[in-house]
Amino acid sequence: AQSVTQPDIHITVSEGASLELRCNYSYGATPYLFWYVQSPGQGLQLLLKYFSGDTLVQGIKGFEAEFKRSQSSFNLRKPSVHWSDAAEYFCAVGADAGKSTFGDGTTLTVKP
Amino acid sequence: DTGVSQNPRHKITKRGQNVTFRCDPISEHNRLYWYRQTLGQGPEFLTYFQNEAQLEKSRLLSDRFSAERPKGSFSTLEIQRTEQGDSAMYLCAGREGPSGNTIYFGEGSWLTVV
Repeated sequence: AQSVTQPDIHITVSEGASLELRCNYSYGATPYLFWYVQSPGQGLQLLLKYFSGDTLVQGIKGFEAEFKRSQSSFNLRKPSVHWSDAAEYFCAVGADAGKSTFGDGTTLTVKP
Repeated sequence: DTGVSQNPRHKITKRGQNVTFRCDPISEHNRLYWYRQTLGQGPEFLTYFQNEAQLEKSRLLSDRFSAERPKGSFSTLEIQRTEQGDSAMYLCAGREGPSGNTIYFGEGSWLTVV
């Protein structure tokens, strides 16, 4: 069975600081991996996705993620966080973008 | 704006009542997915359609839940005899083509069962 673990329920960073959100997955084959962002009361927006090829993936809003097969991880990073990045972030894994298994999310708070 | 709209955005209902949610994707979305998201958790897959055909249903979709996509365009999700445990946000997402690898979420429909 596939699963996703996001170890950090809540992270607080100062505006301008760097950010790393952790994601560990369990999947029986080569996974398709996704990061989504969700603002309060809203739907999810895709930040980036990994299917194959270069293990460092660039996404929207200045985010990137690195796939590490040996560690079963797909951590999300951003070099400098903006106040507007405050939201909830979800990692997902699956063979089909629509039938992915999601983690329980990490809530990001940005301090001024 | 993803082009996927959901109605109503919020619904408060009494336990035992039936509720229906509607999802309108864009015309290019021949695949349509429904999810449930409870507070503090990620979305959970419920079911999906390829055009008008419902191809898969999760074990989460009890007999009280039914989904349709009669003409391969909009979709409805009905919950009969609602229970307090049904309180959640119901999300719809669309995908272009049989091999598209990006899904586009609507803003969700919040259900509160009192």
